[in-house]
Amino acid sequence: DGGITQSPKYLFRKEGQNVTLSCEQNLNHDAMYWYRQDPGQGLRLIYYSQIVNDFQKGDIAEGYSVSREKKESFPLTVTSAQKNPTAFYLCASKVGGMSSYEQYFGPGTRLTVT
Amino acid sequence: KNQVEQSPQSLIILEGKNCTLQCNYTVSPFSNLRWYKQDTGRGPVSLTIMTFSENTKSNGRYTATLDADTKQSSLHITASQLSDSASYICVVTSQNEKLTFGTGTRLTIIP
Repeated sequence: DGGITQSPKYLFRKEGQNVTLSCEQNLNHDAMYWYRQDPGQGLRLIYYSQIVNDFQKGDIAEGYSVSREKKESFPLTVTSAQKNPTAFYLCASKVGGMSSYEQYFGPGTRLTVT
Repeated sequence: KNQVEQSPQSLIILEGKNCTLQCNYTVSPFSNLRWYKQDTGRGPVSLTIMTFSENTKSNGRYTATLDADTKQSSLHITASQLSDSASYICVVTSQNEKLTFGTGTRLTIIP
């Protein structure tokens, strides 16, 4: 999985609780991303960070928050405001330019909220 | 709206047979197209990347084609193996570096 670790692999939470998903990379990449994957849908971008202490909302940021205090770490918090949090969450890092980038994905965390 | 459509949604073939997966896109302006393999419960892994000027690229038993005029790509798998069972995702990058992901084709190889 290209030097990106996500933990835990499976996570169960009660509705109304915030939960934080971990993502760590040892690839020395500046850019990191969080995606959500649902059955029958393509990956959707939640948040991304091009550099430490900076991050941008993706297409579906509502109900999520992130931080980027260190280059190697990009944790995602799923808040109680997220209406449908149950999904497979993928963290990724990227290196390279527009036409020759390489994006590496972590193994994912499956979050189930009941 | 940028879209990437893949077909078929799912495919079952016998081990050793060949198959072709399709990807049609409307992303503009186009920068590149990637095919990823995603094993169940794992993150996607890149198979090939193709830019505007490339129309064929191979990676072992995987061969990707790109027709930038018709905005179509295909991924051909030769002599399939059980380990090829996975989802295959087509991803198109626009020139503003935005990625659009297809919904994937679920391939099952049976012995």
